[in-house]
Amino acid sequence: GENVEQHPSTLSVQEGDSAVIKCTYSDSASNYFPWYKQELGKRPQLIIDIRSNVGEKKDQRIAVTLNKTAKHFSLHITETQPEDSAVYFCAARNSNSGYALNFGKGTSLLVTP
Amino acid sequence: EAQVTQNPRYLITVTGKKLTVTCSQNMNHEYMSWYRQDPGLGLRQIYYSMNVEVTDKGDVPEGYKVSRKEKRNFPLILESPSPNQTSLYFCASSSFSYEQYFGPGTRLTVT
Repeated sequence: GENVEQHPSTLSVQEGDSAVIKCTYSDSASNYFPWYKQELGKRPQLIIDIRSNVGEKKDQRIAVTLNKTAKHFSLHITETQPEDSAVYFCAARNSNSGYALNFGKGTSLLVTP
Repeated sequence: EAQVTQNPRYLITVTGKKLTVTCSQNMNHEYMSWYRQDPGLGLRQIYYSMNVEVTDKGDVPEGYKVSRKEKRNFPLILESPSPNQTSLYFCASSSFSYEQYFGPGTRLTVT
């Protein structure tokens, strides 16, 4: 089955700096890659996703890039703010074999003022 | 309002006492899933359902049961809970639009 690895497990940045979280996946047929943000004590919520026919997607301060050849994708957060502090999960899915999302183990991001 | 609900939100129980965590969605989603979240292990899938009466095991199904008698409901059943099932549980649902919506979570403690 699909194996998703996520790095780093913890990341601390200063407010205003950029943060990058990287994920690799094993199933070359995976075609959907969402990123979820989970604030303390809350449910995971989708912040951005990318499909395999696209190399990059942006939404204000966040962007995701996908390299299908290398089987990795990354989340980029620019101009970080304290409210960006949370746990971020990447996931991958092969939609041809169902709806199951395979999650990475998460990255705890701390943005210090 | 489109949402996934879970009940109870918090539960403390004792080893061996059967319990059910309910999950309901009002978005007419075909797909529903249960995850458990443990520190350092991320979100691990327990069971999922592609539609009514169609369920299948995820990565960590041991000790759990599910049923899907109605499209909107997907209860998680622990027939004989054990301390290693102490965890934070999330129900989720999605349809062909891909986005998976999560419920608010159920924090279960088994003593």
